[in-house]
This record gives sequence, C-alpha cells and structure tokens, in this order.
Amino acid sequence: GQNIDQPTEMTATEGAIVQINCTYQTSGFNGLFWYQQHAGEAPTFLSYNVLDGLEEKGRFSSFLSRSKGYSYLLLKELQMKDSASYLCAVRVNSNSGYALNFGKGTSLLVTP
Amino acid sequence: GAGVSQSPSNKVTEKGKDVELRCDPISGHTALYWYRQSLGQGLEFLIYFQGNSAPDKSGLPSDRFSAERTGGSVSTLTIQRTQQEDSAVYLCASSLSSSLDRSRGYGYTFGSGTRLTVV
Repeated sequence: GQNIDQPTEMTATEGAIVQINCTYQTSGFNGLFWYQQHAGEAPTFLSYNVLDGLEEKGRFSSFLSRSKGYSYLLLKELQMKDSASYLCAVRVNSNSGYALNFGKGTSLLVTP
Repeated sequence: GAGVSQSPSNKVTEKGKDVELRCDPISGHTALYWYRQSLGQGLEFLIYFQGNSAPDKSGLPSDRFSAERTGGSVSTLTIQRTQQEDSAVYLCASSLSSSLDRSRGYGYTFGSGTRLTVV
C-alpha cells in the first residue's frame, strides 16, 4: 500500500521562507509531485522530482531523497497569494499507468 | 483545448438519482484519470484510461460507479443511485506518456472539478 504523510497546517510570515515536508512509504516509486491548490480551484503543478537532489524553479524548490522516502517543498520570499494547500503526490508503476497517490495536503497560511 | 474542462462545475442531486460527470482532456493527452476529493481528505484515485481502455478500475468505490471514454478524448463518470457519501469534488486529470515530457511532470494537468452534493 501507499502511505504519504505531510503536516496538516503551517503558518508563516510574508517575506519569510517555509519548508513543507513529505514522507512516503511506497513500492514501485517513479517520481514525486508537488501541487498547489487554492480553495475551490484545481491543483496546479509546481514540481516533479524523480532523481535525488534539489530542483529549483524561481521562488519554489523541491528536494527528494529516495533512500529516505522524503521530500520537501521550499517556498522563499513568501507572498500572501501563497496561502493555499500544498499537495505531495507519489507516482508509482502499476496498472494505473501514472496515477498519483496523494497525501492529505498541507494548508499554508501566510500572514502579514 | 487549452486546459482540462469539466462539467458541470456544480451538481446538486437527490439521493437515489443517477448523475453523469464529464471531462474533456487536453488535446493530445492519451492518459486520463478520475479522482475524488472529499472534505479533509486527500485526492483519492478512482480510474485511469489509456486511450479508450481502462486497465485499472480498482479505485472505483462500488459497482454504482462506472466510467467510459470515447474517441480517446471525452470521458464520463456515472454514479448510479447516488448516496450522501458520494458528495465530494470529482477531479479529472490528463497527461502525456512520453519520457520526453518527464521534466514537465508529463504535463499532468487537473480540471477545476465537479462539486457533487447529494441531498
């Protein structure tokens, strides 16, 4: 089975840096996604890691350690619009093609 | 189209009625997925299509749920004899399959979903 854990809620200050962790236990691992989801909207793609290391994309970076079953999403220079839910999802090899198994999401609140 | 389109955006139905939810994927995306998002829960995988075939239906919660895809494009998810526990947001996603698209996460893109409320 799949087990994906991430904190339920986090709060951070505008302009600061926040790190959202995700741990997973899975077989057939074939990559990890991070999505951002604002209330009532579709999840939007942030990053995809399949090899160990850090992927940087503007204010957002994502890190993966396959041996530890661990990833984090790093958000720099936080803005109020970054208040959203952040979803960690693992892609596995299965009959389900490239279906993703999601954690329950981390609700991030950015305060002034 | 430019994005994944789902309709209706909202649906309120009476318990026991059947509902059909529609998904129009991004043009050229061969893979299509249905997910369900209940309040306070993560996205739950329901079914996957590669072309018109559904190799894996194991995520469907019960035999009241079915889905089809025609012409390798539009998909419909049908829920028969709806129950209150079926109330959720039903999300559709589509993606490419080539490893050449890996750096962009295979273009895995979600629609805005259909919010289903069973009363």
